[in-house]
Amino acid sequence: EVQLVQSGAEVKKPGESLKISCKGSGYSFTSYWIGWVRQMPGKGLEWMGIIYPGDSDTRYSPSFQGQVTISADKSISTAYLQWSSLKASDTAMYYCARHSGVSRWFDPWGQGTLVTVSS
Amino acid sequence: QSALTQPASVSGSPGQSITISCTGTSSDVGSYNLVSWYQQHPGKAPKLMIYEGSKRPSGVSNRFSGSKSGNTASLTISGLQAEDEADYYCCSYAGSRVFGGGTKLTVL
Repeated sequence: EVQLVQSGAEVKKPGESLKISCKGSGYSFTSYWIGWVRQMPGKGLEWMGIIYPGDSDTRYSPSFQGQVTISADKSISTAYLQWSSLKASDTAMYYCARHSGVSRWFDPWGQGTLVTVSS
Repeated sequence: QSALTQPASVSGSPGQSITISCTGTSSDVGSYNLVSWYQQHPGKAPKLMIYEGSKRPSGVSNRFSGSKSGNTASLTISGLQAEDEADYYCCSYAGSRVFGGGTKLTVL
């Protein structure tokens, strides 16, 4: 079974750093892209960026370029999303999903990681 | 890049058919047959329902179908069931990836 398992919920203060993870299993991790998607409370899905773990090729949405860093460690089939200085507006659910570079679908999705930033 | 335009809400009675539209531009929906659709129930992760405009992944009911005309893609759900009540999002490729704003489907 293809599965993506994300790290647990986080509560942080503004200005703190954070790195959340997404571990893939049941498929060749280096043969598909991994995408990250933000969903703010009560809002829709926003594409943040994708990474190809095979060679770490990374693409960012213009809206998120410079705001977050996407990385991957193919030796442990894990992708990461990190912030160097969190803001209250980063409070959201973050999903990772396997992404086809040919058909451009996202499937399956991880269970989501809720990030809460509050002083 | 602007989000794709979806109606905020649609509704239908059990057994009826509904269609959700997803309007983009000639640079995204109109240029590529790469629209995908996702279903999201409250508190759950999204689920892929349609890819490449009209293809269904294994396990997705054939009550779900997709199509495209010009710069607008559409998701049709026939034989509405209570379990179809959810939010639906389209996604297109245009060098980048962009989601629609989402449509809340209510089954009356």
